[in-house]
Amino acid sequence: RKEVEQDPGPFNVPEGATVAFNCTYSNSASQSFFWYRQDCRKEPKLLMSVYSSGNEDGRFTAQLNRASQYISLLIRDSKLSDSATYLCVVNPGANNLFFGTGTRLTVIP
Amino acid sequence: DTGVSQNPRHKITKRGQNVTFRCDPISEHNRLYWYRQTLGQGPEFLTYFQNEAQLEKSRLLSDRFSAERPKGSFSTLEIQRTEQGDSAMYLCASAGNTEAFFGQGTRLTVV
Repeated sequence: RKEVEQDPGPFNVPEGATVAFNCTYSNSASQSFFWYRQDCRKEPKLLMSVYSSGNEDGRFTAQLNRASQYISLLIRDSKLSDSATYLCVVNPGANNLFFGTGTRLTVIP
Repeated sequence: DTGVSQNPRHKITKRGQNVTFRCDPISEHNRLYWYRQTLGQGPEFLTYFQNEAQLEKSRLLSDRFSAERPKGSFSTLEIQRTEQGDSAMYLCASAGNTEAFFGQGTRLTVV
């Protein structure tokens, strides 16, 4: 079983829509969680960390559900510039970092 | 620019040749990671250093692959006897206490 699993999408949403992605992880002892954004042919860039209490940054909200072993990312009022691949990242312990395959989002005018 | 530097940015090599990539992490970061990414996939973990110690190595890293971080600063990833299947983007990331930051990657094409 993979350490981190994501729905690859693609998600095609109109501008202004709200979209949510989920990501599940296999190791219940996982200690930290992140969402990264990756544009085509570019390196991944940190979008936000995911805290136990949830985390909000403008239009973006990340949440952690330890009981069900998943994390989520919610994007409100989608912009064209949000089009990218969103990568879920989990630290299962010992400071290693495992990535999901990414969820591709396209925001349509 | 995250402060993580990778060289070269692009490398084209003939099958069977050896290649070496370099990563210069953010100076105060003690953790350094190497990943490989192919089109449509997320980054696949290859290996991880804490300071100069290589703490973990993926089974994806065959004996043709070796990585070093001799003084706990920059790191090199060498691929010997390259194969066409090695064509990919090789990404380096460095981290301090929490989040990791990536370099722009080295795109390897084996012809």
